[in-house]
Amino acid sequence: GQNIDQPTEMTATEGAIVQINCTYQTSGFNGLFWYQQHAGEAPTFLSYNVLDGLEEKGRFSSFLSRSKGYSYLLLKELQMKDSASYLCAVRANTGFQKLVFGTGTRLLVSP
Amino acid sequence: DGGITQSPKYLFRKEGQNVTLSCEQNLNHDAMYWYRQDPGQGLRLIYYSQIVNDFQKGDIAEGYSVSREKKESFPLTVTSAQKNPTAFYLCASSIADRGETQYFGPGTRLLVL
Repeated sequence: GQNIDQPTEMTATEGAIVQINCTYQTSGFNGLFWYQQHAGEAPTFLSYNVLDGLEEKGRFSSFLSRSKGYSYLLLKELQMKDSASYLCAVRANTGFQKLVFGTGTRLLVSP
Repeated sequence: DGGITQSPKYLFRKEGQNVTLSCEQNLNHDAMYWYRQDPGQGLRLIYYSQIVNDFQKGDIAEGYSVSREKKESFPLTVTSAQKNPTAFYLCASSIADRGETQYFGPGTRLLVL
């Protein structure tokens, strides 16, 4: 089976840096996605990691360690609009490329 | 502009009633998915379709049905057999079912009267 853990809630200050962790246990790992979801809206794709290391995309970076079953999403120069939920999703290579989602981390950015 | 549309944004269901949620995409994607989102839980897969005229049950298919008669459309029916239908329903699509990124529609919030 698959299991994904991420913190329920985090708070940070505008302009700061925040790291959102995700740990997973899965068979047939075949990639990890991060999505951003504002309240009542659709998740939007942020990043994808399938190999170990850091992927940087503007203010957002995502890191993966397959041996540790661990990923993090790093948000720099936080803005108020970054207040949202961040969803970690793992793709399992079990014939059908299923995505298993964590419960999401709600980030609140304060002035 | 290419994208995924879902309608309606809000839907109210009476006891014993079937309701259908619409999902349309003009991205020319082969694969489409339906998820359910409840507070405090991750997205859960209801049904998915890898190609036209084919679909498979996901993790929580009981009380739901789908069809895939056209590549662009993947409607979800919430039947009266679904005893706890109140949730946020999200449709997604991807180029194919080889693990490509899934892109989501704006969602439909279903409430029971």
